[in-house]
Amino acid sequence: QKEVEQDPGPLSVPEGAIVSLNCTYSNSAFQYFMWYRQYSRKGPELLMYTYSSGNKEDGRFTAQVDKSSKYISLFIRDSQPSDSATYLCAMSSPGDYKLSFGAGTTVTVRA
Amino acid sequence: KAGVTQTPRYLIKTRGQQVTLSCSPISGHRSVSWYQQTPGQGLQFLFEYFSETQRNKGNFPGRFSGRQFSNSRSEMNVSTLELGDSALYLCASSGGSTISGNTIYFGEGSWLTVV
Repeated sequence: QKEVEQDPGPLSVPEGAIVSLNCTYSNSAFQYFMWYRQYSRKGPELLMYTYSSGNKEDGRFTAQVDKSSKYISLFIRDSQPSDSATYLCAMSSPGDYKLSFGAGTTVTVRA
Repeated sequence: KAGVTQTPRYLIKTRGQQVTLSCSPISGHRSVSWYQQTPGQGLQFLFEYFSETQRNKGNFPGRFSGRQFSNSRSEMNVSTLELGDSALYLCASSGGSTISGNTIYFGEGSWLTVV
């Protein structure tokens, strides 16, 4: 079993819909949680960073962390065709100096 | 502020050859890490350096090595290339001494094809 599980999709939604992405993990030591967006043939771009449990909102993006369930989510409101990309969850534990990534979910927003 | 810069962006090598990839972190960042991305395995951690010291290493064979210079620039080397080494190699930099409280930024990557 992988340390971080993420449904690879693909996920196709109409423009304006809410996109819901999630990851589960097995390592209870993870404290730092991130979501990256990666366009084709580009490097990952940091979208959201969350420490420990709770919610964080930034514009159309909301990240949620539930450490008791070992479950994190990313919601994209009012999705746009420009949101079409692969979304990667990543997480780390204190003093580990590395990120553990999910497989990435490919999202297509249809105009 | 310039981002993480990786060179070369694309390269093709023959099996058995060796390759060196270069990374310049964001100005002021002292932590540099490397990841390999393939369709089958996703993003996998290779190693991390801080102030020229390797602090963590992923589960890759000894053919994969790296180093960091005093100006925080980093290089990674893959010797005796195999077809399975074809991948996108990503460099990332971080501003602090630990990941905690510090976000990690990635470069555009170096696309390596081994033929």
